Amino acid sequence: QQQVKQSPQSLIVQKGGISIINCAYENTAFDYFPWYQQFPGKGPALLIAIRPDVSEKKEGRFTISFNKSAKQFSLHIMDSQPGDSATYFCAASLINDYKLSFGAGTTVTVRA
Amino acid sequence: EPEVTQTPSHQVTQMGQEVILRCVPISNHLYFYWYRQILGQKVEFLVSFYNNEISEKSEIFDDQFSVERPDGSNFTLKIRSTKLEDSAMYFCASSEITGDTEAFFGQGTRLTVV
Repeated sequence: QQQVKQSPQSLIVQKGGISIINCAYENTAFDYFPWYQQFPGKGPALLIAIRPDVSEKKEGRFTISFNKSAKQFSLHIMDSQPGDSATYFCAASLINDYKLSFGAGTTVTVRA
Repeated sequence: EPEVTQTPSHQVTQMGQEVILRCVPISNHLYFYWYRQILGQKVEFLVSFYNNEISEKSEIFDDQFSVERPDGSNFTLKIRSTKLEDSAMYFCASSEITGDTEAFFGQGTRLTVV
């Protein structure tokens, strides 16, 4: 059962552009939605996370938008930089259970 | 900055052999996890460990897998009789508590079964 679906698989964006990655989840009991950033040869690192009691969370150039009724959430990377080139994973879990269900990942390439 | 460390970074083993992957979680963390990522696929949960026992495991974590915290600092994943399909990147993670606190991931061990 694919609990978290992520799209697109990859995207290329020009420096300064906006990268948008979308995720949809199935389990309505999920109540914690983190995004992880992974560089080649490294483990995933937490980028930003949201709980369903808010519709948006912003940290610097990274914003999560959350739509509880649609069971969807997305990551927006504003003013994309070459250093943002990485694989991004959305994930979901229950608040009292750190068993993360990951999306398939999106490889973002930012061209200078 | 505290980090989760994993050894070795790459392990090649013959099919049927036992392997032990090692992890040193962040020192004040209480929850420990193993995840795996088959090449080109998503990261999958294997097992969580708290208070010296497994708190949850996935269907992937069958009788060939075991975890242990042998000495209060290391956290190990043992695969008793490796199969070709066990080839993957294995990530250890730890968190201070469960819930909406950050799980810190190690850099991973690439296991290649030949």
